[in-house]
Amino acid sequence: GENVEQHPSTLSVQEGDSAVIKCTYSDSASNYFPWYKQELGKRPQLIIDIRSNVGEKKDQRIAVTLNKTAKHFSLHITETQPEDSAVYFCAAVEYNFNKFYFGSGTKLNVKP
Amino acid sequence: GAVVSQHPSRVICKSGTSVKIECRSLDFQATTMFWYRQFPKQSLMLMATSNEGSKATYEQGVEKDKFLINHASLTLSTLTVTSAHPEDSSFYICSAPRGNYGYTFGSGTRLTVV
Repeated sequence: GENVEQHPSTLSVQEGDSAVIKCTYSDSASNYFPWYKQELGKRPQLIIDIRSNVGEKKDQRIAVTLNKTAKHFSLHITETQPEDSAVYFCAAVEYNFNKFYFGSGTKLNVKP
Repeated sequence: GAVVSQHPSRVICKSGTSVKIECRSLDFQATTMFWYRQFPKQSLMLMATSNEGSKATYEQGVEKDKFLINHASLTLSTLTVTSAHPEDSSFYICSAPRGNYGYTFGSGTRLTVV
């Protein structure tokens, strides 16, 4: 099955700095890569996603890059704000089978 | 749109009792529902996949007789934790695919077994 590794497990940045979270996956059949933000005790919220036919996608302060050859994808948050503080999860999905494999999560702390 | 309503949000039960968690798709038909468990400070782990009108598929290591899943209609899937024990205390969350629109998660259920 798929194995998703996520790093770092915790990340502390100063407000206004950038934050980068990286994930690797093992199954070349995975073709959909969403990123979720989860606040304590709440449902994961999709913040950005990318499909395997695209190398990069950007939405305001958030961007995701995908390197299919190396099987890794990254989340980039620029101009971080305290409200960005949360746990972020990456996932790799083989779309036809709908099976999510989540990374272990990154706790992001943005210091004011 | 595309909301999955999950109830209850919190439940405390005594050890040995059973608890039912419901996930209902409000404005779309969910032929498939995924059930996840999340222990504190850990990732979401897929427990099982329910399909309307057929038996659920359980992930390795998940006891199907303990975690009963029913997908009675295109809008309702339920997870029943039978004979709950303190180690079953966790955050349970469902998710449904929405075709080309990705996936939507329920709001989660915090189960505490005392």
